[in-house]
Amino acid sequence: DTEVTQTPKHLVMGMTNKKSLKCEQHMGHRAMYWYKQKAKKPPELMFVYSYEKLSINESVPSRFSPECPNSSLLNLHLHALQPEDSALYLCASSHPTRYEQYFGPGTRLTVT
Amino acid sequence: AQSVTQLDSHVSVSEGTPVLLRCNYSSSYSPSLFWYVQHPNKGLQLLLKYTSAATLVKGINGFEAEFKKSETSFHLTKPSAHMSDAAEYFCVVSLDSNYQLIWGAGTKLIIKP
Repeated sequence: DTEVTQTPKHLVMGMTNKKSLKCEQHMGHRAMYWYKQKAKKPPELMFVYSYEKLSINESVPSRFSPECPNSSLLNLHLHALQPEDSALYLCASSHPTRYEQYFGPGTRLTVT
Repeated sequence: AQSVTQLDSHVSVSEGTPVLLRCNYSSSYSPSLFWYVQHPNKGLQLLLKYTSAATLVKGINGFEAEFKKSETSFHLTKPSAHMSDAAEYFCVVSLDSNYQLIWGAGTKLIIKP
């Protein structure tokens, strides 16, 4: 089973709202990732969790707050977003000793 | 420093004809290389991977890629295109030690009926 699930599929939020994106994997992977993807561009890495600890934070604004409650779950908390934050947000996971990452279907976020 | 160049932003082929998507990489050591596919409004799916085993790698849906160290290339091919192959394709290089992937700019594959 190489499935990563993400909820919700679509999210529309105002600039004063607080919302969360959720990601789940049951492949026993111990690294999990958040990416942001704008139209017609490759994905941009935001955060990496390795063994439930934040390993990489690619200078992402504090209005994005990641959380890894356990080895299967990854959340991205959103607060006071800007319209330019509208994008496809992708979650991925990988095995600790392999480099390929497995992606979820993404959450299409629109900030109004 | 590692980098990836996808030589074509768009490739257009007729259904039933061969597909060639070109990728060149730059790496200071033996890299791991991947091709991912993204259908419209979908997530990214791993097509195939090269991790220093056989240089000809077979993937899903009839795609394959050949690692050529002398040419620093990892081109993606398929003998016969299908309408369902229309998508964006990304060539990707891994950085060995810190979970980061280096992405090419992508090639949009268009299939003409």
